[in-house]
Amino acid sequence: QKEVEQDPGPLSVPEGAIVSLNCTYSNSAFQYFMWYRQYSRKGPELLMYTYSSGNKEDGRFTAQVDKSSKYISLFIRDSQPSDSATYLCAMSSNSGGSNYKLTFGKGTLLTVNP
Amino acid sequence: SAVISQKPSRDICQRGTSLTIQCQVDSQVTMMFWYRQQPGQSLTLIATANQGSEATYESGFVIDKFPISRPNLTFSTLTVSNMSPEDSSIYLCSVELRGGYTFGSGTRLTVV
Repeated sequence: QKEVEQDPGPLSVPEGAIVSLNCTYSNSAFQYFMWYRQYSRKGPELLMYTYSSGNKEDGRFTAQVDKSSKYISLFIRDSQPSDSATYLCAMSSNSGGSNYKLTFGKGTLLTVNP
Repeated sequence: SAVISQKPSRDICQRGTSLTIQCQVDSQVTMMFWYRQQPGQSLTLIATANQGSEATYESGFVIDKFPISRPNLTFSTLTVSNMSPEDSSIYLCSVELRGGYTFGSGTRLTVV
C-alpha cells in the first residue's frame, strides 16, 4: 500500500460546482497536511496548510482532515475555470528541521468548464 | 513566500550527456530540496541540500547520478549525469519557509 493515495481523475465539473478532492494515507505519524495547486508547466503552489484534525477555510477553499480515518479533503466552492489545474495533497510527520520531508499524492487533474 | 528562479525551464538532451539545473532563491534558506516529477507519478524527493555540507539523498538516488552543489544560502545546482530516456522528467527545486514549501517552475527534461 502506498503511503498516500490520491485519485488522479481526471475530474470535470461545470462552473459554479462544488468540487471535492480527497487523499487517504497509511502513515499515522503524519501530522501536517497540505494542498498544492499546479498549473500546467508551473511548479506546485501551496494552497492550504493544516495541522491535526478539523477544518480550515480560506475563501472558496476548505481543507478537512480526519486523522482517525486517515483521510483528508479539499473542497472548492463556486468553482471557476481558473481553478482548472492539478491538485496535489502532501503530508509530513514534522514541521521543519533536518528531517522535514513531504510525501505527495499523485495529484488530481481538475477541469472546470465555463 | 520565497521567489525561486529555476533554469533552464526545459531542455532536450542526448543520452549519455549531463545537464546542470540551477536554482536561485531570493531569501537565505538553510535547506533546499530537489524533486522529480515523472508523468503520472508523485513528486519524489531526490535529495536535501544544506549549505556547507554534503547533500542527503533519498533511497533510490545516488550522488554519482545526481550530484548537487550548495555554495551559499541562496543557490543550488542539480546535475543529471549520464542521462538515459528514463531520466526524462520534470525536476523541481524547493525551499521550506515558515512551514510551507515553495517550488520553482521546474525544468522539463527530455532525453533522446
